[in-house]
Amino acid sequence: GDSVTQMEGPVTLSEEAFLTINCTYTATGYPSLFWYVQYPGEGLQLLLKATKADDKGSNKGFEATYRKETTSFHLEKGSVQVSDSAVYFCALSDLGGGADGLTFGKGTHLIIQP
Amino acid sequence: EAGVTQSPTHLIKTRGQQATLRCSPISGHTSVYWYQQALGLGLQFLLWYDEGEERNRGNFPPRFSGRQFPNYSSELNVNALELEDSALYLCASSSEQGLGTEAFFGQGTRLTVV
Repeated sequence: GDSVTQMEGPVTLSEEAFLTINCTYTATGYPSLFWYVQYPGEGLQLLLKATKADDKGSNKGFEATYRKETTSFHLEKGSVQVSDSAVYFCALSDLGGGADGLTFGKGTHLIIQP
Repeated sequence: EAGVTQSPTHLIKTRGQQATLRCSPISGHTSVYWYQQALGLGLQFLLWYDEGEERNRGNFPPRFSGRQFPNYSSELNVNALELEDSALYLCASSSEQGLGTEAFFGQGTRLTVV
């Protein structure tokens, strides 16, 4: 079945540091890939997405590129802020391989210190 | 435009009781997904409803059930509650099925079984 693997953390960085959160996936079809963010006490919000190989999703300074050859969708940001502290979930949607909506990774807890 | 709304926000039940959780999707969305977010386990797919029909369910016992009403709102029922059912239950809705479909999440219902 489909699966998503991401570093669980917590990941602790100083403000203005460079961020990378790794995400790799396995899928039977040709999935779309997503990053969701969950701020404390809130539900999940879509951060960015990519629907085909070599697509780059971007939002709020975050970027991720769909790499089919390495089955990866790593999240990056050049300079993080305290307000970026949250849990980040990598996810895929693979309707060709099984209609169960989104398959999520376990989430990466990001802590940004001033 | 109102987002996905879930009720109640918190629910405390005793072991063996039944819990009913409710979800109202974004207006115009026909698909509703339910996820369980238990501590340390990430998001686990529970159920997917579309156009009033159950389309798929995750690897959960039959005491987890639900339905979707003609107005596309949904209920999740958990019978014979067990302590390990304590979790945040998230509902999401989307407007169509297809690659790249974005799901919008509610704030969740925190279920505590004592």
